[in-house]
Amino acid sequence: LAKTTQPISMDSYEGQEVNITCSHNNIATNDYITWYQQFPSQGPRFIIQGYKTKVTNEVASLFIPADRKSSTLSLPRVSLSDTAVYYCLVGEGSSASKIIFGSGTRLSIRP
Amino acid sequence: SAVISQKPSRDICQRGTSLTIQCQVDSQVTMMFWYRQQPGQSLTLIATANQGSEATYESGFVIDKFPISRPNLTFSTLTVSNMSPEDSSIYLCSVRFGRGSVNIQYFGAGTRLSVL
Repeated sequence: LAKTTQPISMDSYEGQEVNITCSHNNIATNDYITWYQQFPSQGPRFIIQGYKTKVTNEVASLFIPADRKSSTLSLPRVSLSDTAVYYCLVGEGSSASKIIFGSGTRLSIRP
Repeated sequence: SAVISQKPSRDICQRGTSLTIQCQVDSQVTMMFWYRQQPGQSLTLIATANQGSEATYESGFVIDKFPISRPNLTFSTLTVSNMSPEDSSIYLCSVRFGRGSVNIQYFGAGTRLSVL
């Protein structure tokens, strides 16, 4: 399973765009990139998943360069409620594959 | 999506005792996953539970310490046996569902365990 590296923590302010980058140099051909969000006292929650180029949903955008060795989660116009830990995961997209969590990025949003 | 219910939500236990955590899913799933999350840390996979077969444990976790049952496609239990303070942690149950071309993992709220 490919290992991921992310910043331990980030700070930003309400209304700003936040970009969290994840490095995954050993990503395999069959691997997808998935981001999860975790609030205190809750289990992680799926944000977005992609394989290449750009993926966008109602919550975030995911940018993946051609070599797929990194990815960037983009959160537009963050609010205080976006304060959470964000995990970048890399693994096979099949329903049978297990998910291994990295250390995550603790994002703090200030007024 | 999936709704995952875990019981108990929290417990305080004495050293040397055992606690069984229950996980109920509102849909049938082939595989269920159990994770541990120590305070301020990331999640660590304990084991994968398949219905009708023995659970598969990750390195550092053994069946005698963390026995798992998987009696049907919507339910699983994890037992933390012969507990010590080092077992104080949050234990999370998880399942995976396909949604179109995407496979999404869903988590319960967790069981917060404190061992005295």
